[in-house]
Amino acid sequence: AQSVSQHNHHVILSEAASLELGCNYSYGGTVNLFWYVQYPGQHLQLLLKYFSGDPLVKGIKGFEAEFIKSKFSFNLRKPSVQWSDTAEYFCAVNAYNTDKLIFGTGTRLQVFP
Amino acid sequence: NAGVTQTPKFQVLKTGQSMTLQCAQDMNHEYMSWYRQDPGMGLRLIHYSVGAGITDQGEVPNGYNVSRSTTEDFPLRLLSAAPSQTSVYFCASSYLGQLYEQYFGPGTRLTVT
Repeated sequence: AQSVSQHNHHVILSEAASLELGCNYSYGGTVNLFWYVQYPGQHLQLLLKYFSGDPLVKGIKGFEAEFIKSKFSFNLRKPSVQWSDTAEYFCAVNAYNTDKLIFGTGTRLQVFP
Repeated sequence: NAGVTQTPKFQVLKTGQSMTLQCAQDMNHEYMSWYRQDPGMGLRLIHYSVGAGITDQGEVPNGYNVSRSTTEDFPLRLLSAAPSQTSVYFCASSYLGQLYEQYFGPGTRLTVT
């Protein structure tokens, strides 16, 4: 069965600091990988997605993520965070040819001015 | 388009009561799903459907039933509510093959006392 681990539960940063949020998945086959963001009081929004090809994918708002197959990882990065990035971030995996999107436990990011 | 709508927004139940959470979408999406969101647990898939008349279990299906008699509607039934079912419930929908582009409803906050 697919599962997703996010080891950083709560991250606190100052504005302009760099961000890296970890995501590891367990599934032996081909996967599609995603990062979502949930701003306070809002729905989930898709930040970026990876299906195949270049393992470094760029998303909205300056976020990027790198797929490292050998490490079963898909870490999210941003070179310089802003106060408006304060939100909860979820990694998700969809095993190829399945109909389930499985989410990680989420990482709460707080950015202070 | 109204998108994905959920009713009610809030609900308080006593242990043992039953109720149905409603979900409807007007985007002609084949795929619909129910998640529950709990602090520190992320979003967990309860049930999903790939089309009218077809449903399947997700990660945490026990205590919940679903049906999909039309493309638009995907109600979630709690047969005998338990305090462990206190959570925020999200319904989502998407085109088949685009699970990552799920549109999420506004959520139902359920408390079971």
